[in-house]
Amino acid sequence: DAKTTQPPSMDCAEGRAANLPCNHSTISGNEYVYWYRQIHSQGPQYIIHGLKNNETNEMASLIITEDRKSSTLILPHATLRDTAVYYCIVRDPTEGKSTFGDGTTLTVKP
Amino acid sequence: DTGVSQNPRHKITKRGQNVTFRCDPISEHNRLYWYRQTLGQGPEFLTYFQNEAQLEKSRLLSDRFSAERPKGSFSTLEIQRTEQGDSAMYLCASSRQGFNEQFFGPGTRLTVL
Repeated sequence: DAKTTQPPSMDCAEGRAANLPCNHSTISGNEYVYWYRQIHSQGPQYIIHGLKNNETNEMASLIITEDRKSSTLILPHATLRDTAVYYCIVRDPTEGKSTFGDGTTLTVKP
Repeated sequence: DTGVSQNPRHKITKRGQNVTFRCDPISEHNRLYWYRQTLGQGPEFLTYFQNEAQLEKSRLLSDRFSAERPKGSFSTLEIQRTEQGDSAMYLCASSRQGFNEQFFGPGTRLTVL
């Protein structure tokens, strides 16, 4: 079973920030939070990951709550090409597998 | 393009036939993963290799499935006596051991008639 809970779908207006939430209340101390996205008929694409500090890269920002039980992925200026399924995963990086849930389908609208 | 390639991209086969898929990971990555994804679901873990050693296999990987990575580079996933329930997207990913992200290939879509 997936260790994370995400809303099944969200809409966002083009040019606005998209904030995608994820609950991971049973996260353990050595597990990181990873975000991937999957555009239709393609393989998942890595976005960002973090342990407890907030992280930012050229694609997105990751905000992790102090108790690490939830996080938010922020796409600062959503474009139509950001329409995809977004997966939040918690994973011990020394282990092999990633356990995916069903993700959030983000639809960016003009 | 993540640098992970999979062949073929599409495969249509008849029930009962054997199929084999190939994955070429990013060259410096020593870990290689296989996942299966059905429509509307997230990817499901099947197995992973560290170099040539197969370190973990999911319960989803029945006796009809076998994966190899003979020289620690490319990997093959074989499905024997295919069933209609095997129809899915088969995804391969690779990573460096440790704290790094997994890079996914484009997948092989299998249709069993």
